[in-house]
Amino acid sequence: SQKIEQNSEALNIQEGKTATLTCNYTNYSPAYLQWYRQDPGRGPVFLLLIRENEKEKRKERLKVTFDTTLKQSLFHITASQPADSATYLCALERNGNNRLAFGKGNQVVVIP
Amino acid sequence: DAGVTQSPTHLIKTRGQQVTLRCSPKSGHDTVSWYQQALGQGPQFIFQYYEEEERQRGNFPDRFSGHQFPNYSSELNVNALLLGDSALYLCASSLGTSSYNEQFFGPGTRLTVL
Repeated sequence: SQKIEQNSEALNIQEGKTATLTCNYTNYSPAYLQWYRQDPGRGPVFLLLIRENEKEKRKERLKVTFDTTLKQSLFHITASQPADSATYLCALERNGNNRLAFGKGNQVVVIP
Repeated sequence: DAGVTQSPTHLIKTRGQQVTLRCSPKSGHDTVSWYQQALGQGPQFIFQYYEEEERQRGNFPDRFSGHQFPNYSSELNVNALLLGDSALYLCASSLGTSSYNEQFFGPGTRLTVL
């Protein structure tokens, strides 16, 4: 069966350190993968998209890698700040036409 | 430029009732997708509307139906509500149905079924 797995345990990290989140998937062949941020009671906010032929993508303090052989994406927040505390969702394109399949999300708590 | 808006913000219904949720897409967007997000879970795709037609559908029963209007706004209707329908309902808009178009999500409607 198809699965998108993100760590269910919250990641507690000291301010200034790098937070690294993992997204593993099985039985998907996505053309791209996206990362979203979601704050409590709010809708997800798009952060980054990485295509299957891209190894790495950066945006300000964010970095995403995509390994289609390992079927894994890593999401890094460098120099983390308390304002980065949120749940981060990974999403895969499924069957074309912008239909997304989401993981459960991984909560990040940045401690001042 | 307004982003995606949804109404109402919160809704409480009882089992067996029917509910209609509304979504206005971001200005310039013509495609609307609906997602259901249960507590502690990721959003689950319900369906997508483009050119006033349902283009794709996720694994949801026929109790879930929708509509898109000529101005691209959309409605999600759920009939015969069950307790398990309690969730945050998210609307996302994009320009076209291309796989690489960024989706913008609204704040969601929190539906509670008692």
